[in-house]
Amino acid sequence: GAGVSQTPSNKVTEKGKYVELRCDPISGHTALYWYRQSLGQGPEFLIYFQGTGAADDSGLPNDRFFAVRPEGSVSTLKIQRTERGDSAVYLCASRDRMNTGELFFGEGSRLTVL
Amino acid sequence: GENVEQHPSTLSVQEGDSAVIKCTYSDSASNYFPWYKQELGKGPQLIIDIRSNVGEKKDQRIAVTLNKTAKHFSLHITETQPEDSAVYFCAASFGNTPLVFGKGTRLSVIA
Repeated sequence: GAGVSQTPSNKVTEKGKYVELRCDPISGHTALYWYRQSLGQGPEFLIYFQGTGAADDSGLPNDRFFAVRPEGSVSTLKIQRTERGDSAVYLCASRDRMNTGELFFGEGSRLTVL
Repeated sequence: GENVEQHPSTLSVQEGDSAVIKCTYSDSASNYFPWYKQELGKGPQLIIDIRSNVGEKKDQRIAVTLNKTAKHFSLHITETQPEDSAVYFCAASFGNTPLVFGKGTRLSVIA
């Protein structure tokens, strides 16, 4: 698999539940980004990692959202006490160098909170 | 922070005609301006980008222009084909800051 892989592709949960979304970036890509895309909108930045550390988490909407990348490869976005407003497509992207360059996106994880 | 505005939100053209999508940005420090194409159920895919040291870039039927003074940039698609139908996003960033995206333009090419 040469591309960015995201699982699950679809997740339906109930309000108040905990959710984890996984991203497997392109091998060797050191920078990893999480974006959220609501219906009819552009991707909105959440957080990005350079290696294992979060270089910028200014886009996380509140403390219910958290992300990790413990070994500098796979990343997990964690959402606690989900709310209906969290429903969106969560996109992961990676790039091969920290400075400006092409972002390679996965197909996203569609989260629906009932 | 950066703010990117994109127009129009929807665009319909006849096959073979040209399509133009325009974006403005607010942060004069931004120096990288990519365009992404997103098909239904897929992630966005880069189609062309431009950096602030050039005013125009072309790749076959696709071209992008940048006016740094006015802080706007445009995507031009010539000889449109049905497979060009998708949602297009402009974006802007400076250095290693995350890309800020516009709200998208849904392009429909009518055969």
